Amino acid sequence: QQPVQSPQAVILREGEDAVINCSSSKALYSVHWYRQKHGEAPVFLMILLKGGEQKGHEKISASFNEKKQQSSLYLTASQLSYSGTYFCGTEETSGSRLTFGEGTQLTVNP
Amino acid sequence: SQTIHQWPATLVQPVGSPLSLECTVEGTSNPNLYWYRQAAGRGLQLLFYSVGIGQISSEVPQNLSASRPQDRQFILSSKKLLLSDSGFYLCAWSMAPTSSEQYFGPGTRLTVT
Repeated sequence: QQPVQSPQAVILREGEDAVINCSSSKALYSVHWYRQKHGEAPVFLMILLKGGEQKGHEKISASFNEKKQQSSLYLTASQLSYSGTYFCGTEETSGSRLTFGEGTQLTVNP
Repeated sequence: SQTIHQWPATLVQPVGSPLSLECTVEGTSNPNLYWYRQAAGRGLQLLFYSVGIGQISSEVPQNLSASRPQDRQFILSSKKLLLSDSGFYLCAWSMAPTSSEQYFGPGTRLTVT
């Protein structure tokens, strides 16, 4: 079943923070985060594994609450380059297919 | 390093015509390969995935098919395109279950007229 992302869209000014959430109704093994710029392919950002492991990438970090089957992506001090659509992908067991959410469109303005 | 290629980049085809999209991966062996379709403003819909040569799993029943004739080649085909086949087609690879993150090719934008 497809994970649910919220919000659907967010507009920021450069330097502001944002949080994007991903929620599943099923137990998860991992959560992946990708960013897609308009007209381009999605780019892998990070993976969070069962156990609540948190991994960061520059000023983007994420968390995974396996008991609640939720993950959150934290973008701090946003930059113009952060604009794009963010997708979470969930994996129910190790090596199983990824199921992607509908995406969150992030716009960072000067 | 690994790279993934897709062609063509864009394609305009009439309804009822055949389709063949190709994806190749370089720099890795025995990858898992995936075909996704993305409608405008929507998420990624998994169409097919393959864990090895000749091994194809279909996720969505439709008029599309996939084949993997070589380890690093994945082909998406159709005998007769429908208007609803329009979209952005993305090929991806991973080394699951060792490492499940997926890396996407540049995509093919297909318009069926």
